[in-house]
Amino acid sequence: DQQVKQNSPSLSVQEGRISILNCDYTNSMFDYFLWYKKYPAEGPTFLISISSIKDKNEDGRFTVFLNKSAKHLSLHIVPSQPGDSAVYFCAATYNQGGKLIFGQGTELSVKP
Amino acid sequence: NAGVTQTPKFQVLKTGQSMTLQCAQDMNHNSMYWYRQDPGMGLRLIYYSASEGTTDKGEVPNGYNVSRLNKREFSLRLESAAPSQTSVYFCASTPGGLQYFGPGTRLTVT
Repeated sequence: DQQVKQNSPSLSVQEGRISILNCDYTNSMFDYFLWYKKYPAEGPTFLISISSIKDKNEDGRFTVFLNKSAKHLSLHIVPSQPGDSAVYFCAATYNQGGKLIFGQGTELSVKP
Repeated sequence: NAGVTQTPKFQVLKTGQSMTLQCAQDMNHNSMYWYRQDPGMGLRLIYYSASEGTTDKGEVPNGYNVSRLNKREFSLRLESAAPSQTSVYFCASTPGGLQYFGPGTRLTVT
């Protein structure tokens, strides 16, 4: 039972355009969501998060949107840069602590 | 601060051999985690330790054991390695919420 799903294994975008990565979840108890970025041969690093009391959180070129009724979140990267090419994992937890449940990941390729 | 460190970086084992993956963190975090990453499967939790002296099973604990040696160190042991345990293993620690990951150990079992 996959509680957090990223249905697109890969995404290719032109440099300067918008990248939109999607994530769906099934557990309505989740109250905190995170995006991690992972380069090859490195560990995942935290990118941005959002609490369930918000519907949007922005940090520079990165914005996360949360639609609780649809149990859907998305990560927007504007403008996309070649250095953004990586695997992106969404993750969810409840009580804002403890175990994270990860999606399968989406590999983003930003072409110059 | 080194953050979360893992040793070794790479390891090749034969089926049936045993080994221990080491993890240490210098951020004074209470909770530590072991994950495995496989293509198309994301990060799956093997075991975790909410605090020193406690350990609990995650999603895929079979074939593994763990030891929370002290607040800093959390080791993962494969007693009898199997080809299905070929994977990349990540250790993480957290003060709560955000988890900080180590660089990973790439393990191949032949």
